[in-house]
Amino acid sequence: NAGVTQTPKFQVLKTGQSMTLQCAQDMNHEYMSWYRQDPGMGLRLIHYSVGAGITDQGEVPNGYNVSRSTTEDFPLRLLSAAPSQTSVYFCASSWGSNEQFFGPGTRLTVL
Amino acid sequence: AQRVTQPEKLLSVFKGAPVELKCNYSYSGSPELFWYVQYSRQRLQLLLRHISRESIKGFTADLNKGETSFHLKKPFAQEEDSAMYYCALQLSGYSTLTFGKGTMLLVSP
Repeated sequence: NAGVTQTPKFQVLKTGQSMTLQCAQDMNHEYMSWYRQDPGMGLRLIHYSVGAGITDQGEVPNGYNVSRSTTEDFPLRLLSAAPSQTSVYFCASSWGSNEQFFGPGTRLTVL
Repeated sequence: AQRVTQPEKLLSVFKGAPVELKCNYSYSGSPELFWYVQYSRQRLQLLLRHISRESIKGFTADLNKGETSFHLKKPFAQEEDSAMYYCALQLSGYSTLTFGKGTMLLVSP
């Protein structure tokens, strides 16, 4: 099992550009989520999904879009990147309320 | 809304010294509490959850509902314990986690 995978590992964007961060898991987990990690702020929940076709907002959803068309994939879209979105992004998955498994992260810089 | 507080940004100890990483939470119900750890250049991974009552890598944590705390303890710190530690709260029946801001533990030789 590959577990939770994320691509790309690093990305540099210019203000206003759009991009999609990819997340996939091969554990048949129903729950998937996106967090951003910022120095001194810990991890903050952006969006989450409890199953295919179902998504909901977390603590800091503004500027981000998600969809869940399959159990395996949960992409995060930045529609118009801003410097405030410079961060490390982690995807996680779990079966119900059990242990969450994290991906390796994507380090995003917005200039 | 629920909240998790980790009062120390950085905790620096010498090898062999006892360690206590503090975690307090605010929630009126009965949450589930976790400790996650992130070693340098690695992904976050689960260290402990309170319902399992296990000791992992010598670490233990006891949920104190009266003090709304879930402090992480280890009697003798090792250099390989150096990492970022996050306390997290999960509401019963839900999957989402609320994290504290994290404590960086540095263990010097």
